[in-house]
Amino acid sequence: EVQLLESGGGLVQPGGSLRLSCAASEFTFSSYAMTWVRQAPGKGLEWVSSISGSGGSTYYADSVKGRFTISRDNSKNTLYLQLNSLRAEDTAVYYCAKDTQAGTTGWFDPWGQGTLVTVSS
Amino acid sequence: DIQMTQSPSSVSASVGDRVTITCRASQGLSSWLAWYQQKPGKAPKLLIYAASSLQSGVPSRFSGSGSGTDFTLTISSLQPEDFATYYCQQAITFPLTFGGGTKVEIK
Repeated sequence: EVQLLESGGGLVQPGGSLRLSCAASEFTFSSYAMTWVRQAPGKGLEWVSSISGSGGSTYYADSVKGRFTISRDNSKNTLYLQLNSLRAEDTAVYYCAKDTQAGTTGWFDPWGQGTLVTVSS
Repeated sequence: DIQMTQSPSSVSASVGDRVTITCRASQGLSSWLAWYQQKPGKAPKLLIYAASSLQSGVPSRFSGSGSGTDFTLTISSLQPEDFATYYCQQAITFPLTFGGGTKVEIK
């Protein structure tokens, strides 16, 4: 069974940094695009960033461009999201998700359980 | 950016009811649309992709239709486990965008 396990969330002060990780298992990680989606408390889903299977193509929401960096280590089957210059509005549960088919489809299944990032002084 | 508008934002229904949720895109998507279900405290789950294709393992009471700018998710006979929030998402172009969600509540 495909598994995605996020880690790295926590409480950080405004302006601070965090690195989120998503450990993947039971599929050929390098063949699939991967994505981060976030959900602020009580709010809807917001796409954050996606990366191709090779890591050669990356995409960002305007709200995080220049502050967040998506990357992957295919030798470790792990997806990352580096969060810099954090703001209160970045407070959310961050989910990693796998594209449904090899390559890039833009829809995701499964999703990880999520990791909570809280930006507060 | 493509704006996704869902309606209604919430619906009250009883077990056995037929429920329909609509999603309208600000630009044509062809069939590049997905539907997700999210229960409280849980990650979203893919129900429908390519507007009308049922994801493996999803009950057949869920169906999707539409193309272009107007799409529909239908639950043919609502079951107790279907009370959740449903989101549409366009996948035709980055930035990927989600609808605001439709909460299906118990009547």
